[in-house]
Amino acid sequence: GAVVSQHPSRVICKSGTSVKIECRSLDFQATTMFWYRQFPKQSLMLMATSNEGSKATYEQGVEKDKFLINHASLTLSTLTVTSAHPEDSSFYICSARSGTDYEQYFGPGTRLTVT
Amino acid sequence: AQSVAQPEDQVNVAEGNPLTVKCTYSVSGNPYLFWYVQYPNRGLQFLLKYITGDNLVKGSYGFEAEFNKSQTSFHLKKPSALVSDSALYFCAVSQTSSNSGYALNFGKGTSLLVTP
Repeated sequence: GAVVSQHPSRVICKSGTSVKIECRSLDFQATTMFWYRQFPKQSLMLMATSNEGSKATYEQGVEKDKFLINHASLTLSTLTVTSAHPEDSSFYICSARSGTDYEQYFGPGTRLTVT
Repeated sequence: AQSVAQPEDQVNVAEGNPLTVKCTYSVSGNPYLFWYVQYPNRGLQFLLKYITGDNLVKGSYGFEAEFNKSQTSFHLKKPSALVSDSALYFCAVSQTSSNSGYALNFGKGTSLLVTP
């Protein structure tokens, strides 16, 4: 089946620094990738949608200059949290879909803690 | 806007009993509906989807869901619950715009606890 990986699985960083999270589709080409954020005991909130080779589309309320998304290839998307603050601490989950399927395949998530 | 609602925060079931996790939807047009399961500190695992066709959809791990257009529901069911089914379950509906990439809108989630 389709597999999506995320790296790192956990990261702790100091306030003011930047963190990059990678999302890879391992056995299929992902024309579209999505980034979600999940707070404890809450649902997933869509942050942005990215299509390979074009700029990401951000959801209302998500700062595009703070959450930089790059989808440079059909198997890799990155989310960079710039100038991180403690309130950015969260579980970040990516997903990917190919052009032929409505189904999304999810990565295992990245736990970000900003101290 | 496409949305789903999960009215129950938690469902408790004894092992071996049937389980139901409820989901209702609100969409314009035909809905694309999904169920996912999440174990602690893990990503989401796909269970099943309804795009078109038979109203009864069979999925992974013995789960099934029934699409009911008149009641705008898509409840998740399993005939005999296992302790290992204890997890967080999300219902989701796909945005139907190709511009959105068919992003998913999730319900708030329902915590399922199966007791021995």
